[in-house]
Amino acid sequence: AQSVSQHNHHVILSEAASLELGCNYSYGGTVNLFWYVQYPGQHLQLLLKYFSGDPLVKGIKGFEAEFIKSKFSFNLRKPSVQWSDTAEYFCAVNNRDYGGSQGNLIFGKGTKLSVKP
Amino acid sequence: EAGVTQFPSHSVIEKGQTVTLRCDPISGHDNLYWYRRVMGKEIKFLLHFVKESKQDESGMPNNRFLAERTGGTYSTLKVQPAELEDSGVYFCASSRITGREAFFGQGTRLTVV
Repeated sequence: AQSVSQHNHHVILSEAASLELGCNYSYGGTVNLFWYVQYPGQHLQLLLKYFSGDPLVKGIKGFEAEFIKSKFSFNLRKPSVQWSDTAEYFCAVNNRDYGGSQGNLIFGKGTKLSVKP
Repeated sequence: EAGVTQFPSHSVIEKGQTVTLRCDPISGHDNLYWYRRVMGKEIKFLLHFVKESKQDESGMPNNRFLAERTGGTYSTLKVQPAELEDSGVYFCASSRITGREAFFGQGTRLTVV
């Protein structure tokens, strides 16, 4: 069965520190990869996505992620975090062969990020 | 453009009662998904509608859960009778038929006591 592992449950950083959140997935086929973020009291929103092409993907708010196929990884990075980045971050995967739509997303357990001002 | 809307935002019910959650997708989105997050666990897929038809309901936990999408617009998820383990946050998401990005609602936090 497909699964997604997020290595860190809770990360605490000071402002301006660099961020890297790990994400590994298990699936042998072709996948689409996503990072979602949920700010306190808000809905899940898409940070960035990878479908194909350049494995280094840039998203909103200065976030980026790199798809490394050989490692089944899609780690999220940001060079300098801000207090407003405090949120919960979710890595998700789906099977690209699932029809023509996004289909069934498999999520990791999420990583809570707390940024100290 | 209005986003995905879910009602209610919170619900507290007693074990054995019935609860109905509602999701209004973004207008024009034929795909509608339900997900659930039990505390401390990952967000898990429940089912997928394409218009009014159930495309995939492999994630539905048991027959106490009934999802409908009459007319292919809004969807309801009924839990009857509710059990303690049904507590969690229920998310709805929608996307265009050829869209590759799903838009999520804020979720309904269900607490069964």
